[in-house]
Amino acid sequence: EIVITQSPATLSVSPGERVTLSCRASQSVSSNLAWYQQKPGQAPRLLIYGASTRATGISGRFSASGSGTEFTLTISSLQSEDFAVYYCQQYNNWPFAFGPGTTVDI
Amino acid sequence: EVQLAESGGDLVQPGGSLRLSCAASGFTFSNYWMNWVRQAPGKGLVWVSRINTDGSDTTYADSVKGRFTISRDNAKNTLYLQMDSLRAEDTAVYYCTRGYTVWGQGTLVTVSS
Repeated sequence: EIVITQSPATLSVSPGERVTLSCRASQSVSSNLAWYQQKPGQAPRLLIYGASTRATGISGRFSASGSGTEFTLTISSLQSEDFAVYYCQQYNNWPFAFGPGTTVDI
Repeated sequence: EVQLAESGGDLVQPGGSLRLSCAASGFTFSNYWMNWVRQAPGKGLVWVSRINTDGSDTTYADSVKGRFTISRDNAKNTLYLQMDSLRAEDTAVYYCTRGYTVWGQGTLVTVSS
């Protein structure tokens, strides 16, 4: 079973800052990795799939890279609406494990 | 518009049963694998189960295997999750998803005496 870890657990930043989140898989998941954003009381929203492809309607300030076991999500200039929890998830092998999440707050 | 709408969440006693439903609209339901994902209060996301397009292939997380049953009715564009022998640790918001791209808003299941 693939285990997903994320770092840091919490990131305290200011609007306008550049933010980089990390995601690591215990074994290769190729490029079968997605990133989600979740705000309190809401369902997760898909940001990125295929490790680096933005989902429909997602702002260009979100970018992602990586393959195999190491992945990153970058928010180029943090906006107030970006404060949320970010999860990565592999869909290469069942069970499709999620990471524990990174909370981005002020 | 592509939409998923879950229903059926409730308060149930340990050992009890519950059936969740997910009504799909805006896309050809029978063409897609479907999934259930859950999130315990204040916790992260956990993939629970998946089903192929015609219902002949199902997979479960170890934590629910033998207790939960996923199924679908393509004529009614509806996904189901039958949950038996419920435990306190099954308390969560349950999301219906189409692959990893489309998510419903979730339905809350609370298992408590």
